[in-house]
Amino acid sequence: GENVEQHPSTLSVQEGDSAVIKCTYSDSASNYFPWYKQELGKRPQLIIDIRSNVGEKKDQRIAVTLNKTAKHFSLHITETQPEDSAVYFCAASSTGTASKLTFGTGTRLQVTL
Amino acid sequence: DAGVIQSPRHEVTEMGQEVTLRCKPISGHNSLFWYRQTMMRGLELLIYFNNNVPIDDSGMPEDRFSAKMPNASFSTLKIQPSEPRDSAVYFCASSDRVGRTEAFFGQGTRLTVV
Repeated sequence: GENVEQHPSTLSVQEGDSAVIKCTYSDSASNYFPWYKQELGKRPQLIIDIRSNVGEKKDQRIAVTLNKTAKHFSLHITETQPEDSAVYFCAASSTGTASKLTFGTGTRLQVTL
Repeated sequence: DAGVIQSPRHEVTEMGQEVTLRCKPISGHNSLFWYRQTMMRGLELLIYFNNNVPIDDSGMPEDRFSAKMPNASFSTLKIQPSEPRDSAVYFCASSDRVGRTEAFFGQGTRLTVV
């Protein structure tokens, strides 16, 4: 089955700096890669996703890149703000949909003033 | 829409007791997922349904766990008998068009088995 590894497990950045979180996956058939943000005590919420037919996707301060050859994808957050502090999860699926998502272990991002 | 609704929000039970977690997906969504979240194992997919039919239950840890979806607006996850290692946050999520769009998560049920 699919295995998703996520690094780092914790990340501390100063407000205004950029943050990068990296994930690798094992199943070459995976074709859908969402990123979820989970604030303390809250539910996970989708922030951005990418499909295997594109290499990069942007949404304001958030971008995701995908390297299918190397089987890794990354989340980039620019101009970080305190409200970006949360746990971020990457995930992968071979169904092209939100079905059968395999999640990474999460990255706790702390944005300091 | 109120989103995915789970009940109860918190459940504390004694080892050996039966536990039933409930979920109401977003109206119109036809895919429903049950996830378990622990510090050690992160978010794990337990089972998912399409059009009320269980499609993949390979994530269900053992026979003590069972899930049903009797209609499009209700699902249950049952643990019988419960054990302390079942303590976790259980999330229900739903999506539409056979899971083409994002999975919308409920607020979760924090289960503690003592």
